[in-house]
Amino acid sequence: QQPVQSPQAVILREGEDAVINCSSSKALYSVHWYRQKHGEAPVFLMILLKGGEQKGHDKISASFNEKKQQSSLYLTASQLSYSGTYFCGTEKEETSGSRLTFGEGTQLTVNP
Amino acid sequence: DGGITQSPKYLFRKEGQNVTLSCEQNLNHDAMYWYRQDPGQGLRLIYYSQIVNDFQKGDIAEGYSVSREKKESFPLTVTSAQKNPTAFYLCASDDGGVNGYTFGSGTRLTVV
Repeated sequence: QQPVQSPQAVILREGEDAVINCSSSKALYSVHWYRQKHGEAPVFLMILLKGGEQKGHDKISASFNEKKQQSSLYLTASQLSYSGTYFCGTEKEETSGSRLTFGEGTQLTVNP
Repeated sequence: DGGITQSPKYLFRKEGQNVTLSCEQNLNHDAMYWYRQDPGQGLRLIYYSQIVNDFQKGDIAEGYSVSREKKESFPLTVTSAQKNPTAFYLCASDDGGVNGYTFGSGTRLTVV
């Protein structure tokens, strides 16, 4: 079952912060986050594992609430380069291997 | 440099024709995946393979076929049985670890 992302779209001014959420009705083993620029391939940002720690690099970080099966992606002091569509991909506990189910995406636009 | 190569970038097909999309990787990854992307629907899994000579259906396998005769190659055939084949097709691979999926640049298929 497809994870649900919110919001569907967000518009920011450069330097503002944003939070993108991803929730699943299934017990999860991992959550991946990807960013896709228009017409390009998605690019891996980070992975959060069950029982693992909050991840982050530079001004992008993420958390995973195992009790609620929810993950959040935090973008702070946004830059123009952050614009794109963000997808979460979830791996269920009962499936073998890293077969991901992706959400519908959140379109992020950062304006000057 | 290692990566995934998809070809062609754009493909036009007449109704009733089969067409094969190429996906080659030199990352030495065991697992490979095919996803379909339609506007507003995120990425949906068509087929995946975790090892040579073995593959499994994903969520939307009807009208598609694959083969995995070599570790490096995972071609996707869109058959005439696929009712709505116009879409953006993405191939991906991973090493089963924490480095996420690596995606190819995609093939945009249009049925005319």
